[in-house]
Amino acid sequence: EADIYQTPRYLVIGTGKKITLECSQTMGHDKMYWYQQDPGMELHLIHYSYGVNSTEKGDLSSESTVSRIRTEHFPLTLESARPSHTSQYLCASSAGTGTYEQYFGPGTRLTVT
Amino acid sequence: KNQVEQSPQSLIILEGKNCTLQCNYTVSPFSNLRWYKQDTGRGPVSLTIMTFSENTKSNGRYTATLDADTKQSSLHITASQLSDSASYICVVADRGSTLGRLYFGRGTQLTVWP
Repeated sequence: EADIYQTPRYLVIGTGKKITLECSQTMGHDKMYWYQQDPGMELHLIHYSYGVNSTEKGDLSSESTVSRIRTEHFPLTLESARPSHTSQYLCASSAGTGTYEQYFGPGTRLTVT
Repeated sequence: KNQVEQSPQSLIILEGKNCTLQCNYTVSPFSNLRWYKQDTGRGPVSLTIMTFSENTKSNGRYTATLDADTKQSSLHITASQLSDSASYICVVADRGSTLGRLYFGRGTQLTVWP
């Protein structure tokens, strides 16, 4: 098991609320990623970071934002949740060398009512 | 367009039987191909990683093969167990990206019945 953690694991929240999904890793990895996954579908990259103070948008447009103030921490924020944001959010990290192996957290299942 | 296609979409087998999952990709330039196992409600866990020069890689009852010429890979599961029930995802890495850009298939949902 990789040392990458996500909280909360499940979240049900009403429309318009602000939420932050937490992701932490203890492996000292520079690269971190956020993916969005709907049931039966492939993972889509929504944000990534090369290191502290680096954040970039991924392939799938997302209304969420991320920050990378510390190496181990890569939180994702939705300022105003909508039902269209209902999905599974997966965080991953990578040492960024060799095969660029990515280690995934357990995910956060978000439901916006 | 870089794509990863998997088949079948879903598969049901009886416990103890073998099965083979398929993956075709068009990702270029190719760096490596991984197979992940994703249990329901969990994050993917890596089973195998193969680079261009590797034809086969085993991890216990899981054996992956790679044909870089035809851009095909397979994952063979031997003597299936109930705990093998999961989604198996084929993932191809792009060598041209310093990010370690990954392209994901939609997965094969495997169900093992007792």
